[in-house]
Amino acid sequence: EVQLLESGGDLVQPGGSLRISCAAPGFTFSSYAMSWVRQAPGKGLEWVSTISGQTANTDYADSVKGRFTFSRDESKNTLYLQMTSLRAEDTAVYYCASRGAGGSGPFDHWGQGTLVTVSS
Amino acid sequence: SYVLTQPPSVSVAPGKTATFTCGGNNIGSKTVHWYQQKPGQAPALVIFYDSDRPSGIPERFSGSNSGNTATLTISRVEAGDEADYYCQVWDSTSDHVVFGGGTKLTVL
Repeated sequence: EVQLLESGGDLVQPGGSLRISCAAPGFTFSSYAMSWVRQAPGKGLEWVSTISGQTANTDYADSVKGRFTFSRDESKNTLYLQMTSLRAEDTAVYYCASRGAGGSGPFDHWGQGTLVTVSS
Repeated sequence: SYVLTQPPSVSVAPGKTATFTCGGNNIGSKTVHWYQQKPGQAPALVIFYDSDRPSGIPERFSGSNSGNTATLTISRVEAGDEADYYCQVWDSTSDHVVFGGGTKLTVL
């Protein structure tokens, strides 16, 4: 069974940094585009970032570009989202999700999410 | 940037049909995916590529897409269908994923 397991969510002060992780046992990253999607409390889904399968190219939503960095460690089957200069509006549950070959494909597997709270 | 518009809520009695719309400029030229999210849970794919169902999704769920509107239809609605439903596309111009704002289904 496909599993995506996020971790690392925490309470962090505005302006601070945090790295969250997504363990993906059994995934061959070169075959899958992986993404982060977030959901602020009581709000809808917002795409954050994608890392492509073969090239590991990354793309970011305008709201996080220049502050967040998406990376992967194939030896550990783990994805990372490094978040810096955090703002209150970054408070959300962060989900990692797989998207097949990427492009126009759907998010077919989701993790359970990890909560990031930005507050003083 | 590309925008998807969904009505905030839909209410329907058990056994009736629920219809969810997702509006976007010439959305019929894009492929649309739909997700169901129940309280406290991660989203789950219910329709992909406009009208395909993942394994395990009942035939009561169907989708269509044409012109400026994509539609998710749930026939013979059950209490267990109560959830938020989101549409999603990929905007090739920006290479960004776009979600609609979501529609909350209430089963009366």
